[in-house]
Amino acid sequence: DGGITQSPKYLFRKEGQNVTLSCEQNLNHDAMYWYRQDPGQGLRLIYYSQIVNDFQKGDIAEGYSVSREKKESFPLTVTSAQKNPTAFYLCASSIKINYGYTFGSGTRLTVV
Amino acid sequence: GENVEQHPSTLSVQEGDSAVIKCTYSDSASNYFPWYKQELGKGPQLIIDIRSNVGEKKDQRIAVTLNKTAKHFSLHITETQPEDSAVYFCAAIPAGGTSYGKLTFGQGTILTVHP
Repeated sequence: DGGITQSPKYLFRKEGQNVTLSCEQNLNHDAMYWYRQDPGQGLRLIYYSQIVNDFQKGDIAEGYSVSREKKESFPLTVTSAQKNPTAFYLCASSIKINYGYTFGSGTRLTVV
Repeated sequence: GENVEQHPSTLSVQEGDSAVIKCTYSDSASNYFPWYKQELGKGPQLIIDIRSNVGEKKDQRIAVTLNKTAKHFSLHITETQPEDSAVYFCAAIPAGGTSYGKLTFGQGTILTVHP
């Protein structure tokens, strides 16, 4: 079945550490996105990529980094520069930009 | 950039009643309006969407209406069931400008359907 897979489901990070969240899709979608969701809030865009080897900052990119070396993969690194990283992170993809998104099941990151 | 406002933030209905959630958007260039349902601990799932060349779309118990002049769109759920309980998000995608192609979400509505 085609879909978008995020791993791990739960992740714990110590202060000062970088962590990488995985996002893989087998939908043959060109565009991929990372959103952050905080309790009781909507989704905020961190980074997006329209095509391999290209990505742009979203609304809250500070403290995060991404890469897009393969069409299927769009990993997100939460760096130690991110002041408040505890949140639910959602990856999504779309056939092309300006089309509907398919979301993964999310990764819940907690700083301990 | 685009700004999407969603109301109400919480909605409680009895099973079998109808539920309506409303959203307004700011960018008149937006041309795609999806609605997502998010259950606890899961990612959002697309339930219905509408493009700006259409005024209404229905899918069984769910319908979406769009008023381009007023820049608002609404989700209508009829004959609600307990399994409809979830958080619902509206969103908009501008057709141009700096926000081109990027979904902007409303703040979400927590819908509770009481048996």
